[in-house]
Amino acid sequence: KNEVEQSPQNLTAQEGEFITINCSYSVGISALHWLQQHPGGGIVSLFMLSSGKKKHGRLIATINIQEKHSSLHITASHPRDSAVYICAVSLGNSGYELNFGKGTSLLVTP
Amino acid sequence: DAGITQSPRYKITETGRQVTLMCHQTWSHSYMFWYRQDLGHGLRLIYYSAAADITDKGEVPDGYVVSRSKTENFPLTLESATRSQTSVYFCASSSGGVYTFGSGTRLTVV
Repeated sequence: KNEVEQSPQNLTAQEGEFITINCSYSVGISALHWLQQHPGGGIVSLFMLSSGKKKHGRLIATINIQEKHSSLHITASHPRDSAVYICAVSLGNSGYELNFGKGTSLLVTP
Repeated sequence: DAGITQSPRYKITETGRQVTLMCHQTWSHSYMFWYRQDLGHGLRLIYYSAAADITDKGEVPDGYVVSRSKTENFPLTLESATRSQTSVYFCASSSGGVYTFGSGTRLTVV
């Protein structure tokens, strides 16, 4: 089983701040996923990446395969970004062997 | 609308009762999954299915039964509900390693 560790566990930021959430894992993977879950809401897939960097709007995800580490950045944070961000890794090509981190709870205050 | 639909959104049942959670996808994704989400544990895989009539156990399958007679449906049955099965249940499908999650079912067993 691949251990997935996220940090920080909880994060409070002021609107406009640059935010970084980190994820590290213990063994080689085929892909890493970043997911978003709003309070009481469903889970949305933000990124799937196996190398390099991806950007979508104000969100940027990076991965360093050699260091077994990924970061999720949020630029110009907004209160609507308040959510739990979950890192997950997949081991096989099918994607079914997802191991999840416990999530980072982000609160962005006005 | 296309996507994954879970029903019901909320369910309260009594200990010992059988309850079925429904999951329907409008694509033809081969892989479907059931997860439970609990505080302190994150998301854990209950069962998954690689195709119609093919299912397999995940990390926490005890007390649950699944079936997949059609590609688009993947119901999860709690044969005799216990309080420890109080949780939020998420159904998901996967294609090419990209996950799509349902909105979740919040189940309370009293």
